[in-house]
Amino acid sequence: DVKVTQSSRYLVKRTGEKVFLECVQDMDHENMFWYRQDPGLGLRLIYFSYDVKMKEKGDIPEGYSVSREKKERFSLILESASTNQTSMYLCASSFYVTNTGELFFGEGSRLTVL
Amino acid sequence: QQQVKQSPQSLIVQKGGISIINCAYENTAFDYFPWYQQFPGKGPALLIAIRPDVSEKKEGRFTISFNKSAKQFSLHIMDSQPGDSATYFCAAPYTLTFGKGTMLLVSP
Repeated sequence: DVKVTQSSRYLVKRTGEKVFLECVQDMDHENMFWYRQDPGLGLRLIYFSYDVKMKEKGDIPEGYSVSREKKERFSLILESASTNQTSMYLCASSFYVTNTGELFFGEGSRLTVL
Repeated sequence: QQQVKQSPQSLIVQKGGISIINCAYENTAFDYFPWYQQFPGKGPALLIAIRPDVSEKKEGRFTISFNKSAKQFSLHIMDSQPGDSATYFCAAPYTLTFGKGTMLLVSP
C-alpha cells in the first residue's frame, strides 16, 4: 500500500520561529510536492521537486523554502513563521511531474502560528 | 490564473439523490481530467479520472463525464450516501493546480 507520511499532524508555533515540516514517501517516486490548503482557496502549490536536490517554485513560494537531500524525503521550511502561514500543509508524491497521473497525498500537517 | 473553475462551492443532497459537480477548463490541450475526494482530517485521494478519448467513465456510483465542446467535465454521484460527504476537487493536468473544491453534504 502506497504511503506518504507527514511527521507532524498538528503544530503550534510562535511568530518568528523556524518551522520544519517533514514528508517521507515509500513509493520510489521522483516527484514530490508541497501544497497548502485554506478554506475557499482550495489547494495551492508552494514548491515541488522532480529529483534529489532539485526544486521548482509553485504558485505561492514566498516565505517558504524546501529541501530534498534524499529521494524519499521532502521538507518544507518556514524561515520565520508568520500568522498568515497558519494553514493545512499537504505533501504529495507522484510518478508523473505534470499531474497526468495520480498524486498521492499525506494526511496533512495543521500549523497554527500565534 | 485559475486553470480550472469548479462549481458549486457547496452542495447539500438528500440520501439517495444525485450529486453533480462541474469543472470548466480553458486549455484545450488538457488530456487528463481527474477528480479527488477528501474526507475531514485526511489528504485528498484520486477518486476517478478520464481521458478525452471517451465521453464517460463509470466506477460504481461515481461517473465522470466529459464535454469537449463545452470544455467541461463533471462528477456525478448516483444514489448519494452520507459516507460520500467530503470535499471534491477537480485538477488540471500539466499545471499541478486544483479547483477550489466543493463541500458535499449528504443528509440522512
